Amino acid sequence: DAKTTQPPSMDCAEGRAANLPCNHSTISGNEYVYWYRQIHSQGPQYIIHGLKNNETNEMASLIITEDRKSSTLILPHATLRDTAVYYCIVRPRNSGNTPLVFGKGTRLSVIA
Amino acid sequence: GAVVSQHPSWVICKSGTSVKIECRSLDFQATTMFWYRQFPKQSLMLMATSNEGSKATYEQGVEKDKFLINHASLTLSTLTVTSAHPEDSSFYICSAARFAGGRMANEQFFGPGTRLTVL
Repeated sequence: DAKTTQPPSMDCAEGRAANLPCNHSTISGNEYVYWYRQIHSQGPQYIIHGLKNNETNEMASLIITEDRKSSTLILPHATLRDTAVYYCIVRPRNSGNTPLVFGKGTRLSVIA
Repeated sequence: GAVVSQHPSWVICKSGTSVKIECRSLDFQATTMFWYRQFPKQSLMLMATSNEGSKATYEQGVEKDKFLINHASLTLSTLTVTSAHPEDSSFYICSAARFAGGRMANEQFFGPGTRLTVL
């Protein structure tokens, strides 16, 4: 059963911000929101995760709504190398013994 | 840190042969590793969970006698595709769970993947 919903694809102009939405209306109190991306023919790459506060790192920002039912991953200045499939995953933290379950993700195309 | 490698990165083999894929955690110990398979234009599908020193746990529909998993040490898990056939052609990806302190404790790190083509 799907725990997250993402648009199948998005386009973004190079240099502009890419805002990728994710709905997770059934998220429980102990579940975090994780974002991974997969560039073509590579393994998934961790981007960011958060519980309820907004988070920022060198790759992206994560905005989580107050009710935690949705979130947005922001790539502030998208480059062609950001073209990838982006996966939003909810799971409890410290659940390293359980696998990540990937949905279909959002295919982001950054256009020159 | 937290680097996971896979070897080989790609392999082409004849139908009926066996292929071994290695997954190594280079700078941390991983008591648990996971194996995924990905077909073109599809998402990653979990095949099995591999625990060091014990038998792997396979997902429904994955043949354990065809996909042999050995997790002999805290830094190495192997996946052997036995008697490979063209329908086994896929992108195989492993991940390793790291148990450590800090905000990224108990997280998973992925290998670069192995592309298997069976002729």
